[in-house]
Amino acid sequence: EPEVTQTPSHQVTQMGQEVILRCVPISNHLYFYWYRQILGQKVEFLVSFYNNEISEKSEIFDDQFSVERPDGSNFTLKIRSTKLEDSAMYFCASRTLDRPYGYTFGSGTRLTVV
Amino acid sequence: DAKTTQPNSMESNEEEPVHLPCNHSTISGTDYIHWYRQLPSQGPEYVIHGLTSNVNNRMASLAIAEDRKSSTLILHRATLRDAAVYYCILRGLIQGAQKLVFGQGTRLTINP
Repeated sequence: EPEVTQTPSHQVTQMGQEVILRCVPISNHLYFYWYRQILGQKVEFLVSFYNNEISEKSEIFDDQFSVERPDGSNFTLKIRSTKLEDSAMYFCASRTLDRPYGYTFGSGTRLTVV
Repeated sequence: DAKTTQPNSMESNEEEPVHLPCNHSTISGTDYIHWYRQLPSQGPEYVIHGLTSNVNNRMASLAIAEDRKSSTLILHRATLRDAAVYYCILRGLIQGAQKLVFGQGTRLTINP
């Protein structure tokens, strides 16, 4: 079964550094998402992306965050200047047009900001 | 989105059926009932969805009350691998890039 692939699985970064989290969505999917989950808390929506632009973003997705689909296959989340509170699991998800109920999530990147 | 209410946690034994309830008394006529689950250290995964009729797939069954104000996810024969957090989510007819909104879900523990 096709998968959403996320790399790296775990990233440790120093506060104030920039990080880029990478995702390879399923190839025929058109809608892309980033979510995050702080340890012990619920999965929170960050941003959705379609047709090379942001469709919707949450309050969490402030100016420190950006997303990009640079080459038609990768989908990246950049955090410009990380804070301690950015430590979380970040999940990428994608969805196709003809299966609107089926969001496919990756296994996540655990980001630790020290 | 209409609100759902699920128990925080449930426990069951391996190889026994599990019934996970979800209340959604403010569901609208166009809301689909979706179930996702999140295994430990994994992203959420789709389990099943339905509108009015009961649904079966290889993972589970979904029983929807006649008034649609509640539903039950049924795992017919639980295995240790079914230990996860189960989320009941209501969505209208999904258009465009609409997101899923997760609540706290039910943490299911399976005893060997």
